[in-house]
Parts: sequence; C-alpha cells; structure tokens
Amino acid sequence: KNEVEQSPQNLTAQEGEFITINCSYSVGISALHWLQQHPGGGIVSLFMLSSGKKKHGRLIATINIQEKHSSLHITASHPRDSAVYICAVKGFGNEKLTFGTGTRLTIIP
Amino acid sequence: GAGVSQSPSNKVTEKGKDVELRCDPISGHTALYWYRQRLGQGLEFLIYFQGNSAPDKSGLPSDRFSAERTGESVSTLTIQRTQQEDSAVYLCASSLVTASPSEQYFGPGTRLTVT
Repeated sequence: KNEVEQSPQNLTAQEGEFITINCSYSVGISALHWLQQHPGGGIVSLFMLSSGKKKHGRLIATINIQEKHSSLHITASHPRDSAVYICAVKGFGNEKLTFGTGTRLTIIP
Repeated sequence: GAGVSQSPSNKVTEKGKDVELRCDPISGHTALYWYRQRLGQGLEFLIYFQGNSAPDKSGLPSDRFSAERTGESVSTLTIQRTQQEDSAVYLCASSLVTASPSEQYFGPGTRLTVT
C-alpha cells in the first residue's frame, strides 16, 4: 500500500463544475503539497499546507491532520484546469517528498 | 528571476552508455532535489542536497546513479551503464530552506530515453 493515496485516479467533468480531489496518507507529516502537472509541461506547486485551509483564486486546499486527509477543490472549473494534480507529503527531519500517483483531471468545454 | 533550468531537455542514449543530466537551481536556493518520473508512474525521490550537509541519497535506485552539487549552485545527476528501465523524466527542484517545510520549485525536466 502506498503511503500516499489519491482519488479519483481520473476525473472528467463539464466546464463550470465544482471539482474535489482527495489525498490520504498513512504517515505523520510536517507538510503536504499539491502540485499541478500539465501535459508535456513541468510541475507547478499550488499549495503547501500544514493545517487548516488555503485559497488561491479558484483553488482551495484543506487538510485534516487528525484524519490524515487533504482535499483540493476547484470552483468554476475551466478547460485550462485540465492537468494531473499530485499530492505529496513531507515527513519530519528532512525535506524529502513522497508522492501520490496523481489525479488526471479533464474539463470538457 | 529565472526559475530552475535543466539540460538537456531530451536525451536519447544507447543501453550501456553513461549520461549526465544538469540542473541549475534558482539563485540563492540552498536545497536541491532530484526526482524521477517513469512513464505512467508517480514521482520518485532520488537525492536531496542541503547546503554543506551530506546529501540524502536514500532514493537512488542503484549504485549506477550518483549526483554532485557544487556549493549551492549547479548539480549533475550521472547514470552509468544505462539500462532501459532508466528511461524516465528526471526532474530537479530547488527551495530556500530558511524554515522547514519549504516550497519547492520544479524545473522542466530532462526526458531520458535508453534504447
């Protein structure tokens, strides 16, 4: 079993829909990252959070440390949001990240 | 300022040859990371450099893999006697570790194909 599990693996939605991507992890962490990877493109860091909730534009990330769970939400989704979204966690004592396998999101116009 | 850059962007090599991949981190970033992403798979940690500390090499898959970093600048990842299973995108990231945890900034990657 992976230390970091994401769901769903694939998600297709209509433009404008509210999107939720989930991440569960099994180890104690000091931080959780949400990353975005466009087809053929590099990786962009969306959020780094240790507790609570962060918002940037149409993106919202939440984390529940007790439940070892994080969610990434996209409001008013747009075709340009189509990408792979990756959850990664950092343990204690080092900066090494452990990654989930990603969620492939496709937004249809 | 400039982001993390990597070179080459693509590399095709024959099985058994050695390859060197280069990463230029963001200026002033003390930490540098190498990751690998094989086709259809998630990202894997390879190695991490932080300042003058000994690197964390715990992710290197075999002794054919090694990496160096000059001070707080350029890093090279070397793969000796390449195998087909080494084919992957190799990603470099850097961060300014003034307080842990810190945000990582990723380069565009080097796509390595071993034929």
